[in-house]
Amino acid sequence: SQQGEEDPQALSIQEGENATMNCSYKTSINNLQWYRQNSGRGLVHLILIRSNEREKHSGRLRVTLDTSKKSSSLLITASRAADTASYFCATPYTGGFKTIFGAGTRLFVKA
Amino acid sequence: DTEVTQTPKHLVMGMTNKKSLKCEQHMGHRAMYWYKQKAKKPPELMFVYSYEKLSINESVPSRFSPECPNSSLLNLHLHALQPEDSALYLCASSQPRLAGRGGNTDTQYFGPGTRLTVL
Repeated sequence: SQQGEEDPQALSIQEGENATMNCSYKTSINNLQWYRQNSGRGLVHLILIRSNEREKHSGRLRVTLDTSKKSSSLLITASRAADTASYFCATPYTGGFKTIFGAGTRLFVKA
Repeated sequence: DTEVTQTPKHLVMGMTNKKSLKCEQHMGHRAMYWYKQKAKKPPELMFVYSYEKLSINESVPSRFSPECPNSSLLNLHLHALQPEDSALYLCASSQPRLAGRGGNTDTQYFGPGTRLTVL
């Protein structure tokens, strides 16, 4: 079964607004990662949060992790048109090299 | 150098053709990956090489043949593909957290991808 289901599937906001994306997963994890993908391009790693962390910040990004609910959220504050992209959460299988990506949230920021 | 490069950027091939996709990284990473991504879908893992040995093959059809000639290079040989194989093929690399051949991967660095169209 797939780890990392995300909602919403698509999100359209105005520049300057905040964007929140959610991710749920099904099994135990060591860490959870968020990636961004611009249309038709490779993925770019944004942030990693470990299972013993509850919140992490990086610039305009804020990630939370709730291991009891098996969920994570990504908040982008003061969004910009350049933030328009797809965002994926990713959970590695413990002990191996396999990473499962969530279905992704497509964010569109209108200027 | 924190870049993963992939060539070609675009590839159009017929079902009887043989072609290869190439990936290169110079970050000293010892794990390299091939993913397939269809439009509006997440990447799907195809193969993982760890220390130049095939570690994971996600039941990929034999018309896809990976090769890892050295620690910096990863190839994907294509033969007798089907139109449904048309997709974005992504290469990635990472450094295994533990020394040795096992270990949970953390950050993966992705190349820009090869857009493959099979006619």
